[in-house]
Amino acid sequence: NAGVTQTPKFQVLKTGQSMTLQCAQDMNHEYMSWYRQDPGMGLRLIHYSVGAGITDQGEVPNGYNVSRSTTEDFPLRLLSAAPSQTSVYFCASRNSAADQETQYFGPGTRLLVL
Amino acid sequence: AQKVTQAQTEISVVEKEDVTLDCVYETRDTTYYLFWYKQPPSGELVFLIRRNSFDEQNEISGRYSWNFQKSTSSFNFTITASQVVDSAVYFCALSGFSGGYNKLIFGAGTRLAVHP
Repeated sequence: NAGVTQTPKFQVLKTGQSMTLQCAQDMNHEYMSWYRQDPGMGLRLIHYSVGAGITDQGEVPNGYNVSRSTTEDFPLRLLSAAPSQTSVYFCASRNSAADQETQYFGPGTRLLVL
Repeated sequence: AQKVTQAQTEISVVEKEDVTLDCVYETRDTTYYLFWYKQPPSGELVFLIRRNSFDEQNEISGRYSWNFQKSTSSFNFTITASQVVDSAVYFCALSGFSGGYNKLIFGAGTRLAVHP
């Protein structure tokens, strides 16, 4: 299993541009989530999904959209990037059965908005 | 409200010293889970341990040990005989029943530097 994968690893955007951060997992995990990591603040939850077709907001959802059309994929969309969205983005997943409470993270996407 | 506090921003030790990373949490949930993650310089987040609110037994895994005390709402992490490879940022995190265990609340992290 590849686990949780994220693309791209690094991206530079101009203010106002849009982009999609990709996240995929091959562990058949029901739960997936997106976090952002900013210096000195730990990680904060943006959006999460408890299964295909079901998403909900986390702590800092503004400026981001998500959808979950398949179990494997959970893309994060920035419709109009802002410098405040410069951050490192992590996708995570967890199993609803065994080891259900532990979230496993992807390698991260570093985003710079100019 | 749920909150995780890691008061130590940075710790610097010399190799082979023991070091304890502190974590204090707040939650109104009676059922919750506590976690430690390691973030090495390469940037990925590595899961280290999970402990549920009903299990206060301390745990030892090699050079790592964890002390969970509900009475003081603390979940401290000790590295014995530290090594340079232990240099990383360590995060304590909490997920509770009220959030369906979907929401991990992270502390700000403690940066550990182990010098040769």
